[in-house]
Amino acid sequence: EAQVTQNPRYLITVTGKKLTVTCSQNMNHEYMSWYRQDPGLGLRQIYYSMNVEVTDKGDVPEGYKVSRKEKRNFPLILESPSPNQTSLYFCASSLIRGPSYEQYFGPGTRLTVT
Amino acid sequence: KNEVEQSPQNLTAQEGEFITINCSYSVGISALHWLQQHPGGGIVSLFMLSSGKKKHGRLIATINIQEKHSSLHITASHPRDSAVYICAVRLFYNTDKLIFGTGTRLQVFP
Repeated sequence: EAQVTQNPRYLITVTGKKLTVTCSQNMNHEYMSWYRQDPGLGLRQIYYSMNVEVTDKGDVPEGYKVSRKEKRNFPLILESPSPNQTSLYFCASSLIRGPSYEQYFGPGTRLTVT
Repeated sequence: KNEVEQSPQNLTAQEGEFITINCSYSVGISALHWLQQHPGGGIVSLFMLSSGKKKHGRLIATINIQEKHSSLHITASHPRDSAVYICAVRLFYNTDKLIFGTGTRLQVFP
């Protein structure tokens, strides 16, 4: 089954404790992206990647890092989480960047930083 | 002002009603997406449009590029259509980037 998986689905952590949210897709998609969703603000892009070893900043990259060492994986790293990073996070992938291809979303990771 | 605006923000309907959700945008786009987010949080892509109209079951999406406006219609609405519907545009000058509306929360009552 074609899917995007994220782990963990739920995470409560404390300020400053490094964490990684994993994202994996089994569709051989070149394009992967991370979004955060906050009430009243909608979805906002954090980082995206057009292929292995190619990443770029989205709208809200501060406080986040990503890496793309393999085509299927695109982990999101919070080196020193802060309470303002409490949010619902989505990973997404698509076959290729451009207007013609839909994005497949992971199930979401709800992160709480205390 | 947001680059992508949706209306209404909230919508309630009785089962069987015809529903319209609107999306207006102020930027040049190469495509527009309609997404559905269920109460559990998962997001599903419904449509991708660059012109005209698309239909899938009871869902119809239209776009008017000149007026920078798109509509999502649901015919014969059903309680299982209750969800948040999100409009997103792919920028013309940067097709890697999606800008999202804040969503329309739809509740359909039996």
